[in-house]
Amino acid sequence: DADVTQTPRNRITKTGKRIMLECSQTKGHDRMYWYRQDPGLGLRLIYYSFDVKDINKGEISDGYSVSRQAQAKFSLSLESAIPNQTALYFCATSDWDLRGETQYFGPGTRLLVL
Amino acid sequence: DQQVKQNSPSLSVQEGRISILNCDYTNSMFDYFLWYKKYPAEGPTFLISISSIKDKNEDGRFTVFLNKSAKHLSLHIVPSQPGDSAVYFCAASAVETGGSEKLVFGKGTKLTVNP
Repeated sequence: DADVTQTPRNRITKTGKRIMLECSQTKGHDRMYWYRQDPGLGLRLIYYSFDVKDINKGEISDGYSVSRQAQAKFSLSLESAIPNQTALYFCATSDWDLRGETQYFGPGTRLLVL
Repeated sequence: DQQVKQNSPSLSVQEGRISILNCDYTNSMFDYFLWYKKYPAEGPTFLISISSIKDKNEDGRFTVFLNKSAKHLSLHIVPSQPGDSAVYFCAASAVETGGSEKLVFGKGTKLTVNP
């Protein structure tokens, strides 16, 4: 079974609709992240959470919100979707030791906003 | 301002040859670096890492070299195999107790290994 799962894997929605992307992890990590990937732009951080009570904005948080319902769950919401939010979205978790941080990614959610 | 740069969006090499993927960074506080590999329709997966106390780390066919003075790191794949064809992301972070830093990713380099 996958350690980091994302639902849905694919989603088509219309401009103005509210949608939620969900992420669950079984790795027991405190840290969770949401990224989007656009062609030629790599991975850009939307929001991150270092524990259930800690939510932080990333590089491109405008138009998005998140909810950390439990250690294992981190949801990303688009309150009113717009076409330029069409992208591939990745959830990630991480552990942290003296070496640094390694992230473990979910399989991604492909979102198309019409 | 991009702190982690992968200036080559794509690279094509012949099977059996060496693949060299490059990454430059601007933030001198970064002292831990990672490479991730991403296949289509999958999330990125961790490949290899290096801390700033080293200048080389090797894992099988993959070697990462770090040149701190030049703020440059590279990933060498020898010999390259068609299954190595993927997008490779360079990432950097600062190692701090308590972990206030996050990984910063480059834009990625698409490697194609031709049979």
